[in-house]
Amino acid sequence: SQQGEEDPQALSIQEGENATMNCSYKTSINNLQWYRQNSGRGLVHLILIRSNEREKHSGRLRVTLDTSKKSSSLLITASRAADTASYFCATSQGAAGNKLTFGGGTRVLVKP
Amino acid sequence: DTGVSQDPRHKITKRGQNVTFRCDPISEHNRLYWYRQTLGQGPEFLTYFQNEAQLEKSRLLSDRFSAERPKGSFSTLEIQRTEQGDSAMYLCASSLWDLELFFGEGSRLTVL
Repeated sequence: SQQGEEDPQALSIQEGENATMNCSYKTSINNLQWYRQNSGRGLVHLILIRSNEREKHSGRLRVTLDTSKKSSSLLITASRAADTASYFCATSQGAAGNKLTFGGGTRVLVKP
Repeated sequence: DTGVSQDPRHKITKRGQNVTFRCDPISEHNRLYWYRQTLGQGPEFLTYFQNEAQLEKSRLLSDRFSAERPKGSFSTLEIQRTEQGDSAMYLCASSLWDLELFFGEGSRLTVL
């Protein structure tokens, strides 16, 4: 079974708008990571946030983590058509050797 | 920069045949992971290696699946007596300890 569940499952926005997607998980984590996947391609790491961090930024990306609610959000600001992809959260738990458990993903369509 | 490479990228086989996928990780990475991804779903963990040692196997990995990483460099994933349910994208990733995972482009398997 998958640890993380993303919400919404799909998102359609206009270029220039912000895109926000959420991830909920079930068990305590070491860190939470977000990945992007273009159709038919491999996954690309976007950002990692550790369990003792609450917010992290990377370029147009902002990630928050609320361990009390076991949830995270990914915000993409000023979206571009090239941001069209599926976005996955993944959690690392315990002494699991950074074995990641992925959610089902949010499919984002940015319309030009 | 040589990232993670996987071969073959696509494989079509008949039910009952054996298939083998190869993954070449980033050279300095000590951890190597195999994931399986079906259409519209997030990747599911199969197994991972630290150097040449296989440290964890998912219950998804039936007896028909075997993975090796001789000498702690490249890895192979073999599926014996393939079934139609094995059709999926098989993703390989590598990492240096607990840092982010770098994924290959995947090997897409179609079992007829």
